[in-house]
Amino acid sequence: AQKITQTQPGMFVQEKEAVTLDCTYDTSDPSYGLFWYKQPSSGEMIFLIYQGSYDQQNATEGRYSLNFQKARKSANLVISASQLGDSAMYFCAMRGRTSGANNLFFGTGTRLTVIP
Amino acid sequence: DTEVTQTPKHLVMGMTNKKSLKCEQHMGHRAMYWYKQKAKKPPELMFVYSYEKLSINESVPSRFSPECPNSSLLNLHLHALQPEDSALYLCASRDPKKPDRLNTEAFFGQGTRLTVV
Repeated sequence: AQKITQTQPGMFVQEKEAVTLDCTYDTSDPSYGLFWYKQPSSGEMIFLIYQGSYDQQNATEGRYSLNFQKARKSANLVISASQLGDSAMYFCAMRGRTSGANNLFFGTGTRLTVIP
Repeated sequence: DTEVTQTPKHLVMGMTNKKSLKCEQHMGHRAMYWYKQKAKKPPELMFVYSYEKLSINESVPSRFSPECPNSSLLNLHLHALQPEDSALYLCASRDPKKPDRLNTEAFFGQGTRLTVV
């Protein structure tokens, strides 16, 4: 079984500051992938960043970076230089090899609000 | 073209109505998905089509009937829905060049906001 936990229902950050959104996971799969998606109020899920379980380096995509600590089973998203347009729901998700490579399991999400 | 297009964007239907949701992508993705998302909840997987064949049905009630007429189109036929079926229905697609490829992200549409009255 797979489980994704996001313990922060809501977060606030000042514009131009950095923010960390927490994600922990549990899986019996030896090989898995971790994803972060952004969901603005329009509803669309926007892919942000991916981390593979065997990747040696933390993933980075522009202002997004993933703080991957495999032993702790955590995959926190770091957003640097926050912008007003970053206000949205953020979901951590996982895909495992043996549990169905077609399926993404989502956490409960964190609502980020960027304050001007 | 990296879009997944869903129509309609909003739908209000009565419990005796029959309606269909449509999803279209032209990225050549051969895995397509339907997710249901209730307010303030994460998306929950409903169906997966892989190479136009239904590969996963997450015990979805038969009042939801998926259809994949070709590699670009995915439909969700709705009949005799209940008010608790009101939700955002999201379609997604992925390029599974290998069936167990983990690192391909899914592209999502903007969803259809369904209200059952």
